[in-house]
This record gives sequence, C-alpha cells and structure tokens, in this order.
Amino acid sequence: SSELTQDPAVSVALGQTVRITCQGDSLRSYYASWYQQKPGQAPVLVIYGKNNRPSGIPDRFSGSSSGNTASLTITGAQAEDEADYYCNSRDSSGNHLGVFGGGTKLTVL
Amino acid sequence: EVQLVESGGGLVQPGGSLRLSCAASGFTFSSYWMHWVRQAPGKGLVWVSRINSDGSSTSYADSVKGRFTISRDNAKNTLYLQMNSLRAEDTAVYYCARDRDGYHVNDYWGQGTLVTVSS
Repeated sequence: SSELTQDPAVSVALGQTVRITCQGDSLRSYYASWYQQKPGQAPVLVIYGKNNRPSGIPDRFSGSSSGNTASLTITGAQAEDEADYYCNSRDSSGNHLGVFGGGTKLTVL
Repeated sequence: EVQLVESGGGLVQPGGSLRLSCAASGFTFSSYWMHWVRQAPGKGLVWVSRINSDGSSTSYADSVKGRFTISRDNAKNTLYLQMNSLRAEDTAVYYCARDRDGYHVNDYWGQGTLVTVSS
C-alpha cells in the first residue's frame, strides 16, 4: 500500500510564509488534498486538486505539486493557522484505497 | 447546509461488534461516494473504508479488511460501518466524510463518534 510522508512539526513566525510538504508515490498520479485540524475538532478541507480552495478558506492558503511531492503554502501565517495539517490522496494501486500522511503540527510563533 | 452526524460509538469489549451510522442531510446523498476515517487518541488520521454512490463498490484498509463492512441506505440518507472482531487498536474517533469527486477529496466531515475497545 502507498504511504504519504510529512514532517512531524514545522514552525513559522507570525506573518511569515511556511511550506508544508507531503511525499509519496501516489502523488505522481493523483493530486493531494490538504486538511486543517484544530484540537477537538473535525478536519477541514483547505486545498484540493491542482490548487483549489473551498469556499471560506482564506487565499493565504495555496497548493502545488511536483513529481512525488505536494506542498501546502501559507503566505502570511496567522495565529489561527496553528493546527495539525494532513495530506491525503487516492493510492495508486487501482483499488480506490485511500491514504493519509502522518500530519504536520504547525506552530505560529 | 451539508450535515453529517455520526452515532453508534461507545465502549465494547475486545472481540465484540458495533455498528456506526452517519446521517447525511443538505445534499443529494445518493450522488456521492462516502468514506470512514479514524483517529486514535493523540494520533493522526487514518483512512478506513470508502463506498461508491450506489453501494456497488467498496474498499478497505488492510487493517480492517475482513472485519469491517461499509454500506449505505440511499433511501434513508445514511452511511454505516459494521465493525466486528474489534481489537484494542481499533479504539479511535470515527469520522464519516463526503467525497466530492471520487478522488478522495473529503469536503465535508462529521463531528466523529468515539469507539473504545477495552475489557
């Protein structure tokens, strides 16, 4: 089965730009989606597809992809962006299995 | 407004069974694939299972294959997860999530229901 690898923790100064990455073989075939999860809450979709934001997601969130790596960029990080971020995709087995990355804890300093 | 409301969680002994439900509203349930995703306490999200829009196709993570069964009742706008032969490692919050396009993009999530497997 496929795996998606994320850095466990990343920090960013308030107002600065941070990139969170996700690596995996399935990303050569499928786009990653990105989810924000705050303590005690359900995940929220923030980026999907090539670089699409659901309604209500601030435009400081953007996504990109190259080869087997997908990235979530937050330009001008705010205190409220402190959260866990997860990537996911469909795996490349052809069996419609799903896979999530291990998550990245973002700290806004 | 899209809403997904899970229910059916609770405390169960190892080897026991539980059926989770996810009541959907605010969208045409029969048009969307659906997923179950779980999260053990203090851990990350783990994909569990998915079902296509008419229920004819299902997939499972290796860790639950043969023990869990995903199903849906489109007339009742409800998704189910039948969990048998439960183990301590199945302890988690279980979320149902809508798939917006068949590519595992989960655009709406329920609030989750906690399943605790313990003697």
